[in-house]
Amino acid sequence: GAGVSQSPRYKVAKRGQDVALRCDPISGHVSLFWYQQALGQGPEFLTYFQNEAQLDKSGLPSDRFFAERPEGSVSTLKIQRTQQEDSAVYLCATCGTENTEAFFGQGTRLTVV
Amino acid sequence: QKEVEQDPGPLSVPEGAIVSLNCTYSNSAFQYFMWYRQYSRKGPELLMYTYSSGNKEDGRFTAQVDKSSKYISLFIRDSQPSDSATYLCAMSADTGNQFYFGTGTSLTVIP
Repeated sequence: GAGVSQSPRYKVAKRGQDVALRCDPISGHVSLFWYQQALGQGPEFLTYFQNEAQLDKSGLPSDRFFAERPEGSVSTLKIQRTQQEDSAVYLCATCGTENTEAFFGQGTRLTVV
Repeated sequence: QKEVEQDPGPLSVPEGAIVSLNCTYSNSAFQYFMWYRQYSRKGPELLMYTYSSGNKEDGRFTAQVDKSSKYISLFIRDSQPSDSATYLCAMSADTGNQFYFGTGTSLTVIP
């Protein structure tokens, strides 16, 4: 597609439920980032992939968070046993090989109740 | 201390005004600088991208980077109500490195 696509756009989860958030990158973009954005804050880094390799996961807040990109294209961010503090917008961004301009998707707004 | 500092505002200006948005940073390794515009309930949209120091102009938008002062700016000329949004600065040290964002400045342009 023309841009970064994320699904679902909105997700309401009961506390303790597992969720999976999907990111479809811009075709050919090798770098993929996941960010978490709390209300009124800037995005905070979660993890980074170059193709299928997860090169940096230092921003994942706990071992309940897991991300994968098995074929170097679509990526999934999984959150196990969701907690209320996980409520945020989860943003995916991708970059091409030649520069560091990052293009973002619309995000998935997760609400844990 | 956060890597990137940005005044959250809110900033309110009349239509046609020149808007100045700024960020400061602490990491001298940063060399890629970006400005994003984010409308409510939307993802950030890339406005300007600058490598190292200097100025870059695109239509009504001008980005400035002063690495010696660790200070970046975005100027919006002839501001329009459609410019009302949150503006985020972001920066990174190298290709493939994570981007560090400011908290965003909320801008309202009043018709």
